[in-house]
Amino acid sequence: SQQGEEDPQALSIQEGENATMNCSYKTSINNLQWYRQNSGRGLVHLILIRSNEREKHSGRLRVTLDTSKKSSSLLITASRAADTASYFCACHPNSGNTPLVFGKGTRLSVIA
Amino acid sequence: KAGVTQTPRYLIKTRGQQVTLSCSPISGHRSVSWYQQTPGQGLQFLFEYFSETQRNKGNFPGRFSGRQFSNSRSEMNVSTLELGDSALYLCASSLRLAYTDTQYFGPGTRLTVL
Repeated sequence: SQQGEEDPQALSIQEGENATMNCSYKTSINNLQWYRQNSGRGLVHLILIRSNEREKHSGRLRVTLDTSKKSSSLLITASRAADTASYFCACHPNSGNTPLVFGKGTRLSVIA
Repeated sequence: KAGVTQTPRYLIKTRGQQVTLSCSPISGHRSVSWYQQTPGQGLQFLFEYFSETQRNKGNFPGRFSGRQFSNSRSEMNVSTLELGDSALYLCASSLRLAYTDTQYFGPGTRLTVL
């Protein structure tokens, strides 16, 4: 079963607006990562947040992690048409050598 | 530094055939993981190889197998192909074991089974 569940499944916004995507997970984690995928291509790693961190920034990206609620959010500020992609959260369960478990993604469309 | 490369990029096979996909990790990376991506199931973990040893395996039938060579390049093989094997196959490499490290993905191999 999927560890991470993204919400919403699809999001459409105007260029310049902010986009927020949420991810919920089920078990305790070692870290949580966000990836972007453009139209059936490979995934691009965006940001990794560890279980003892609450917030991380990278350029226009801001990720928060709330381990008590088992949830994370990805905020993209001042979105651009080039941000149009699918965004996935992926969890590393906190149980040793277990593989990364991906959610089904949020499809973001940024309209120019 | 060159990224993860996968060959071939596209493949069309018929049911019952077998297929071999190749992945070259980023130079110096010792871990290679394979994933299957389909619209219905999303991204699912197949297996991870580290230093030529399989370190983890997902919930896939034995028709799916893999190996890693001494130069860290990896291949995965699917035998007796089924229609449901049509998917994008992604490999990812990392310096250390995947659960401890960031994974870098290749562009994928799009497999179509007719």
